[in-house]
Amino acid sequence: DGGITQSPKYLFRKEGQNVTLSCEQNLNHDAMYWYRQDPGQGLRLIYYSQIVNDFQKGDIAEGYSVSREKKESFPLTVTSAQKNPTAFYLCASSMDMKNTEAFFGQGTRLTVV
Amino acid sequence: GQSLEQPSEVTAVEGAIVQINCTYQTSGFYGLSWYQQHDGGAPTFLSYNALDGLEETGRFSSFLSRSDSYGYLLLQELQMKDSASYFCAGRDDKIIFGKGTRLHILP
Repeated sequence: DGGITQSPKYLFRKEGQNVTLSCEQNLNHDAMYWYRQDPGQGLRLIYYSQIVNDFQKGDIAEGYSVSREKKESFPLTVTSAQKNPTAFYLCASSMDMKNTEAFFGQGTRLTVV
Repeated sequence: GQSLEQPSEVTAVEGAIVQINCTYQTSGFYGLSWYQQHDGGAPTFLSYNALDGLEETGRFSSFLSRSDSYGYLLLQELQMKDSASYFCAGRDDKIIFGKGTRLHILP
């Protein structure tokens, strides 16, 4: 079945540690996105990528990094520079930059302990 | 840049009709989409309007007026399972979401 997979579903991190969230899609989509969602809030864009080996900062990129070495994969690293990393992280993909239908993974809930 | 505004909460009665509005400001425009998100889950795509008018998909309809930079999602015959958050989304070179409207349904 085609889809988008995030792992892990729950993640605990100690303060000062970097952590990488996985996002893989087998939909053959060109565009991929990372969003952050805080309780009762909307989706804020962290980074997005329209094509392999290219990515752009979103509205809240500080403290995060990404890579897009393969079309299928768009991992997000939450660095120790991110001041308040506890949140629900959602990865999404769409066919291309003109397509507005996005498919989401099930999310990773990150908690800093 | 883009911004999308929608009400934070709406309450309706089971079996009734509810409309969730969205106004937007965009430098470019490739249409307006709507997503549903249940608590703890991921957003799922509901509908997309590229042109003015009404698009109907079962109990859900979505409307767009580009001249007014306005759209809405219409939910009919409300069911308790429709209790969720609803997001409008637009795009230029990226997809941007509104802050979401929490729909409460009363029995």
